[in-house]
Amino acid sequence: QKEVEQNSGPLSVPEGAIASLNCTYSDRGSQSFFWYRQYSGKSPELIMFIYSNGDKEDGRFTAQLNKASQYVSLLIRDSQPSDSATYLCAVGLGYNNNDMRFGAGTRLTVKP
Amino acid sequence: ETGVTQSPTHLIKTRGQQVTLRCSSQSGHNTVSWYQQALGQGPQFIFQYYREEENGRGNFPPRFSGLQFPNYSSELNVNALELDDSALYLCASSSGTSGGAFETQYFGPGTRLLVL
Repeated sequence: QKEVEQNSGPLSVPEGAIASLNCTYSDRGSQSFFWYRQYSGKSPELIMFIYSNGDKEDGRFTAQLNKASQYVSLLIRDSQPSDSATYLCAVGLGYNNNDMRFGAGTRLTVKP
Repeated sequence: ETGVTQSPTHLIKTRGQQVTLRCSSQSGHNTVSWYQQALGQGPQFIFQYYREEENGRGNFPPRFSGLQFPNYSSELNVNALELDDSALYLCASSSGTSGGAFETQYFGPGTRLLVL
């Protein structure tokens, strides 16, 4: 079992719709959870992080964490073509979270 | 732009050679983490340096080694290159108080290494 699993996609949504990206992780000791966006040929950029169970909202983005189910998700409201990218889920492990494990990413395409 | 720079941008080496990649952290950041990203995969954690000391290591062999300098810039060294080492190498800096401050981690543009 991979430590961090994501659907590889591609996930295609129409412009203006809600895109839902999911991630599961295997280590129950995980303390911190991150979503990164990576455009083709570019490096990852942080969208948001979440530490506690529940929802965390930042603009059009909402991260949801359920530690009991070992599940974290990212919702993108009012999706735009510029949101088309690969979305990486990352989980912080180890003492002081000094070991971060990434999923393989979900490729999202937002169609105009 | 994140303020994190890496050099070189591209590099071609042959199997068995050694390579050094460089990273300058964002101003005010004291922690640098290195990742390897193979095509179509997520980044894999190699190691992290906090205030010039290794602060954590992923599942990479000892031929992957690093340094962090007093100005918090960092180097990644890979000895005895193998074909599978071909990848994008990313460094990320953050302002940890005790290391591992991933919440403010900023990635550099990466170095693309090709091993022939």
